[in-house]
Amino acid sequence: AQTVTQSQPEMSVQEAETVTLSCTYDTSESDYYLFWYKQPPSRQMILVIRQEAYKQQNATENRFSVNFQKAAKSFSLKISDSQLGDAAMYFCAYRQAGTALIFGKGTTLSVSS
Amino acid sequence: GAVVSQHPSWVICKSGTSVKIECRSLDFQATTMFWYRQFPKQSLMLMATSNEGSKATYEQGVEKDKFLINHASLTLSTLTVTSAHPEDSSFYICSARDWGLGNTEAFFGQGTRLTVV
Repeated sequence: AQTVTQSQPEMSVQEAETVTLSCTYDTSESDYYLFWYKQPPSRQMILVIRQEAYKQQNATENRFSVNFQKAAKSFSLKISDSQLGDAAMYFCAYRQAGTALIFGKGTTLSVSS
Repeated sequence: GAVVSQHPSWVICKSGTSVKIECRSLDFQATTMFWYRQFPKQSLMLMATSNEGSKATYEQGVEKDKFLINHASLTLSTLTVTSAHPEDSSFYICSARDWGLGNTEAFFGQGTRLTVV
């Protein structure tokens, strides 16, 4: 069975600084998708960034970028120029085509001014 | 992006009663929807996969007689918590995928906070 592991329950960063959230996963499949979701206090799930496994290029969305290491089964999220609004719980997620998302346990990110 | 609406946002019910939660895809058709449960400060755990016009597929350990799922149309799936007990208190979230967008992003409802007293 596929699993997703986030080893950092909590992280903190100062405004304008950069922080990296870690995620590893386990799968025997070659074709899959990886995601980072943000869950603010409202608890609405917000997609931050996604990566298709067949793409070698790391995905980037404005201040958010990933370091996708397929062989190592690693998928970390880098947040640059951190803002107070980035404070939230972040979930790494995996899925194959047609299946449900499998989530890691989450990392709570706090941002201080 | 596509919108998924979940209702109600929060509900309080008495032990022994049933509660229905609705999940609607407002601007797309969703042949498949997913129901998750989330305890405070924990991850989302998949409860079941809801398929339009057929029986839902439940994850191991989820009581299908307690958590009834109906997906009668391409835009609506419902989760009914039957004979609710305090331990059923949790945050329930639905998700749907717009297959027309190439089977990539999943869209989430805003969630339902259920409190059983």
